[in-house]
Amino acid sequence: DVKVTQSSRYLVKRTGEKVFLECVQDMDHENMFWYRQDPGLGLRLIYFSYDVKMKEKGDIPEGYSVSREKKERFSLILESASTNQTSMYLCASSLFPDYNEQFFGPGTRLTVL
Amino acid sequence: GDSVTQMEGPVTLSEEAFLTINCTYTATGYPSLFWYVQYPGEGLQLLLKATKADDKGSNKGFEATYRKETTSFHLEKGSVQVSDSAVYFCALVKQGAQKLVFGQGTRLTINP
Repeated sequence: DVKVTQSSRYLVKRTGEKVFLECVQDMDHENMFWYRQDPGLGLRLIYFSYDVKMKEKGDIPEGYSVSREKKERFSLILESASTNQTSMYLCASSLFPDYNEQFFGPGTRLTVL
Repeated sequence: GDSVTQMEGPVTLSEEAFLTINCTYTATGYPSLFWYVQYPGEGLQLLLKATKADDKGSNKGFEATYRKETTSFHLEKGSVQVSDSAVYFCALVKQGAQKLVFGQGTRLTINP
């Protein structure tokens, strides 16, 4: 069974902290994505990666960075967390060149106090 | 830019009722269209898709037809079950593009 896992289901951090969200997929997919999900706004793409060490900005990259050192792992980094980054974060992966069917992890609900 | 608009939720129905969730899109060219479903506490799963005009996607009793003339991809099911309670997202991707564009999601609750 295909699987995308995320390191935490729930996370509480303080303003100004550096936050790491980890995502691992076991499907040997080339493409990986980070989204945030907010009520009434749907899913918005933060960053994506189509290969190891490659990354591209999505629609809302400000305040975030990413790292992809290995094919199966894609990390989202909040350099200095702020309260407006409180959200649900979803990781996804897909097989190149099919960007269409993305497989999602269960999400990390991040609260920044 | 490209966008997807879904009907406002939440939607509450009784078991065995007929379901329609409206989805319209704005995009140049010929996008592919999708419905994803998010069950409580889980990530999104692909429910169905259609890649060209007049295609009908179907899965688990759900159907949606790609209507280019009305730029729509409405989700329908003839008889819903309590287990269909979830959030449903309509999405598109343009040919050659790398990004899915999602609608805002519609929360569906089915009462027994």
